[in-house]
Amino acid sequence: EAQVTQNPRYLITVTGKKLTVTCSQNMNHEYMSWYRQDPGLGLRQIYYSMNVEVTDKGDVPEGYKVSRKEKRNFPLILESPSPNQTSLYFCASSFAPSGEEQYFGPGTRLTVT
Amino acid sequence: QKEVEQNSGPLSVPEGAIASLNCTYSDRGSQSFFWYRQYSGKSPELIMFIYSNGDKEDGRFTAQLNKASQYVSLLIRDSQPSDSATYLCAVPYSGAGSYQLTFGKGTKLSVIP
Repeated sequence: EAQVTQNPRYLITVTGKKLTVTCSQNMNHEYMSWYRQDPGLGLRQIYYSMNVEVTDKGDVPEGYKVSRKEKRNFPLILESPSPNQTSLYFCASSFAPSGEEQYFGPGTRLTVT
Repeated sequence: QKEVEQNSGPLSVPEGAIASLNCTYSDRGSQSFFWYRQYSGKSPELIMFIYSNGDKEDGRFTAQLNKASQYVSLLIRDSQPSDSATYLCAVPYSGAGSYQLTFGKGTKLSVIP
């Protein structure tokens, strides 16, 4: 089954404790992206990657890191999480290198206390 | 400048009616436009895309594009309670090697039985 998976689905953590949210796709897509979704602010792009070892900042990259060492995986790293990073996070992938027609993972709900 | 504007709603329509969802965008150079549906607590799901001026129909859904007015709409005919969701308009922006999909904040649709 073609899909984008994320883990964990739910996470409660404390300020400053490093965490990684994994994202994997089995569709051989070149483009992958991370978004956060907050009430009243909509979906905002954090980082994206157009291919292995090629990443770029989205609209809200502060406090996040990413890497793309394999085509199928695109982990999101929060080195020192803060309460303002409490949000619903989505990973997405697309066959088109320009990022059109993105397919989303199920989401990760992160709470930072 | 990347802006995608939608009325936040909620938009309430009776079952069987036509629901009309609207979106405006800022970049005159945009060539493709996407509509995603997001049920509460779920990830966005691509339902329609349109590249050319005019109408594109897919079942009960019709996307309409007017590039001169920088306006794209989604019509849902014979609305069903299962259509109750938030509808997100998305526009890819590219430039200087950057490729991003920018989302509107979404319009919440409620179909009343």
